[in-house]
Amino acid sequence: TQLLEQSPQFLSIQEGENLTVYCNSSSVFSSLQWYRQEPGEGPVLLVTVVTGGEVKKLKRLTFQFGDARKDSSLHITAAQPGDTGLYLCAGGAYNDMRFGAGTRLTVKP
Amino acid sequence: ETGVTQTPRHLVMGMTNKKSLKCEQHLGHNAMYWYKQSAKKPLELMFVYNFKEQTENNSVPSRFSPECPNSSHLFLHLHTLQPEDSALYLCASSRAQPGQTNEKLFFGSGTQLSVL
Repeated sequence: TQLLEQSPQFLSIQEGENLTVYCNSSSVFSSLQWYRQEPGEGPVLLVTVVTGGEVKKLKRLTFQFGDARKDSSLHITAAQPGDTGLYLCAGGAYNDMRFGAGTRLTVKP
Repeated sequence: ETGVTQTPRHLVMGMTNKKSLKCEQHLGHNAMYWYKQSAKKPLELMFVYNFKEQTENNSVPSRFSPECPNSSHLFLHLHTLQPEDSALYLCASSRAQPGQTNEKLFFGSGTQLSVL
């Protein structure tokens, strides 16, 4: 079973600060995905990283896939209250998609 | 709006009740999933259906019974549940292709289930 460990589990910061959250595994993944889940809603896909070393940007969010394809990071620049939510990483085949436990981010105004 | 609708949004049931969760997708996807989300734990994959056929059953207790009458609808029938089954139950769909590993899952808003 491919396990995904996310850190930190909780993160509370002030608006305008930068932050990085991590997703690590001892297994190699052909791709990893990042989802954001807001309270009372299901997860929504943010990005998929496929190539080792790949960097993708989505406005103030920067996603990186490790060279060995065992880990990924999400960096948020100048966080805003609207970034508050649970950030989940996921990977695997369609019939065996595994998720990390997530990082719960709170951005205070 | 993700194109995946789940009902009800909230459900409270006793351990002897029988209830059903419903999921409908309007995205033309061929695969549908049930996930369980408990506090501080990773999402747990419960069942996977592809073109109405169940392809995965991850050791889920028989008190959870899925039904997929067509590619657009998915049900989860609940019977004699335990308090530890209280959780958020999420339905998802995707355009699954065997061998593809960058699946995009589209989730519904979930059913928050409380078993008393």
